[in-house]
Amino acid sequence: AQTVTQSQPEMSVQEAETVTLSCTYDTSENNYYLFWYKQPPSRQMILVIRQEAYKQQNATENRFSVNFQKAAKSFSLKISDSQLGDTAMYFCAFMNHFNNDMRFGAGTRLTVKP
Amino acid sequence: EPEVTQTPSHQVTQMGQEVILRCVPISNHLYFYWYRQILGQKVEFLVSFYNNEISEKSEIFDDQFSVERPDGSNFTLKIRSTKLEDSAMYFCASSNDRGQGQPQHFGDGTRLSIL
Repeated sequence: AQTVTQSQPEMSVQEAETVTLSCTYDTSENNYYLFWYKQPPSRQMILVIRQEAYKQQNATENRFSVNFQKAAKSFSLKISDSQLGDTAMYFCAFMNHFNNDMRFGAGTRLTVKP
Repeated sequence: EPEVTQTPSHQVTQMGQEVILRCVPISNHLYFYWYRQILGQKVEFLVSFYNNEISEKSEIFDDQFSVERPDGSNFTLKIRSTKLEDSAMYFCASSNDRGQGQPQHFGDGTRLSIL
């Protein structure tokens, strides 16, 4: 079974600074997908970024980018120019190629300080 | 932008009672999911549903749970005889394809409180 580990329960960053959230996973699959979801205090789950395991290029969405290290099974999220609205829980998630049941990590609570 | 909508936003139920959580997935989506998040814990997969039947389910999804698509728009999760440990946030999600890493779009969740 796939497992997803987020080793940082809480992190904080100053507004406008850069922060990196860690995620590692365990799988025997070769084709899979990785996601970062954001959950603000409103509790909605919002997709931040998606990475396809067969693509070497790291995904980027505006201020959000990932560092995907397939051999190390690592998938970290970098948030540049942090904004107060980035304050949220961030969940890393794994999905294999053939079905859609996502496996989530325990989450990292990020606080952006003014 | 199309959204997944869930009702109610908060449901309070006595232990042992049945509860039905409702979801309206995005209209052209064909795959539907339920997830659970116990307070302070991670989001856990419960079940996926396609073509009027369950595609996958987790070990959490035992006989007290059932899902249904009673009409063309609603997707429901029923808990037959609720327990205190069923208290959680329940998220519905939908996607327009299965596999291929299709992103799932989540609703705002229903907070279920069992007394």
